Amino acid sequence: AQRVTQPEKLLSVFKGAPVELKCNYSYSGSPELFWYVQYSRQRLQLLLRHISRESIKGFTADLNKGETSFHLKKPFAQEEDSAMYYCALSRRSGYNKLIFGAGTRLAVHP
Amino acid sequence: DTAVSQTPKYLVTQMGNDKSIKCEQNLGHDTMYWYKQDSKKFLKIMFSYNNKELIINETVPNRFSPKSPDKAHLNLHINSLELGDSAVYFCASSFTGELFFGEGSRLTVL
Repeated sequence: AQRVTQPEKLLSVFKGAPVELKCNYSYSGSPELFWYVQYSRQRLQLLLRHISRESIKGFTADLNKGETSFHLKKPFAQEEDSAMYYCALSRRSGYNKLIFGAGTRLAVHP
Repeated sequence: DTAVSQTPKYLVTQMGNDKSIKCEQNLGHDTMYWYKQDSKKFLKIMFSYNNKELIINETVPNRFSPKSPDKAHLNLHINSLELGDSAVYFCASSFTGELFFGEGSRLTVL
């Protein structure tokens, strides 16, 4: 069964500290992994996807197939990074059914 | 020029009533979705339509009925509302894997 696990409901850090939001998944085929972000009073939006291998707003995420993980990292957190972050999974081909993790709220304090 | 728009944004109603939430996208995407976000911020897929055809129907009570008059619209009708239906309902559309979300419709059942 497809499943996405985000073990932390809340991650609280100080500005300038490194951030790692954990995501583990279970999927039998070839998954595509995403991170979505929801800032306060804004709609959910794509932050990054593993096939792009991009760094967005200083965030990176590497797919580790051996550990079935897709952790989101940023070396120096900013206050504007405070938001709800969702890890999501879908299969590579066919109709896109995006399965979300429970979400992690990141709070960056000054 | 909002990409995915939902109406209404807020809906407060009594138990037992029937209500509808409308969704429209102007991105030209073939696939549209309804997601439910509960009080714990957990996002769960409900339905997905591809070019007006139902392709994903998760374990959702029959009281929920999606309708897609054309590929730019996906409406959600809910019969006999229950307290547990209170949530934020998100519409989304996609083309190449990335989902574009609406702002959400917060439904409160009293």
